[in-house]
Amino acid sequence: ETGVTQTPRHLVMGMTNKKSLKCEQHLGHNAMYWYKQSAKKPLELMFVYSLEERVENNSVPSRFSPECPNSSHLFLHLHTLQPEDSALYLCASSHFSGSDEKLFFGSGTQLSVL
Amino acid sequence: KQEVTQIPAALSVPEGENLVLNCSFTDSAIYNLQWFRQDPGKGLTSLLLIQSSQREQTSGRLNASLDKSSGRSTLYIAASQPGDSATYLCAVYTGGFKTIFGAGTRLFVKA
Repeated sequence: ETGVTQTPRHLVMGMTNKKSLKCEQHLGHNAMYWYKQSAKKPLELMFVYSLEERVENNSVPSRFSPECPNSSHLFLHLHTLQPEDSALYLCASSHFSGSDEKLFFGSGTQLSVL
Repeated sequence: KQEVTQIPAALSVPEGENLVLNCSFTDSAIYNLQWFRQDPGKGLTSLLLIQSSQREQTSGRLNASLDKSSGRSTLYIAASQPGDSATYLCAVYTGGFKTIFGAGTRLFVKA
């Protein structure tokens, strides 16, 4: 039990589908993140929520839409994705304090776009 | 712009060998550095976190060092085992929700 749970573990979708990724953290943290990991590339930060407010949006295409209804849950809504969006999507959480940060990750959702 | 580089990209060693993984970063203005382990298709597991004021951290067979002024960190794994086979990533926290990751070192320990 890592404290950060992601569902589903695997997802295959067509380019016209709409799907959602879910993340839940049980650590009492105040910040949640979505990262994208493509093959042989460093993790890319997509979105950050602090106390349910989006504080970072790293030029992510609008076909990715995050939602943070409370401090424990984070969603990533997907629609009209492209094949190049196939990747491992990782959720993380932290107890953000400005000068210190330790990230805790979920197991990820392996996404394939056909 | 902070960049994190990990060398080598891949490493294969026989079981029992001691090994060192390297991480370098371009801007010494960091708050901490974290080493992670990632198994194929899985999430990241935190191994060690070194604060910018610290020089090293140890956990079991792992020892991580930090030389902030030269922009370098090493992860030392003693008496490697096949179960250590994974990708190891380092990441630096630069403040304001920004953690910059290296591309990782893929380690294979042969039995």
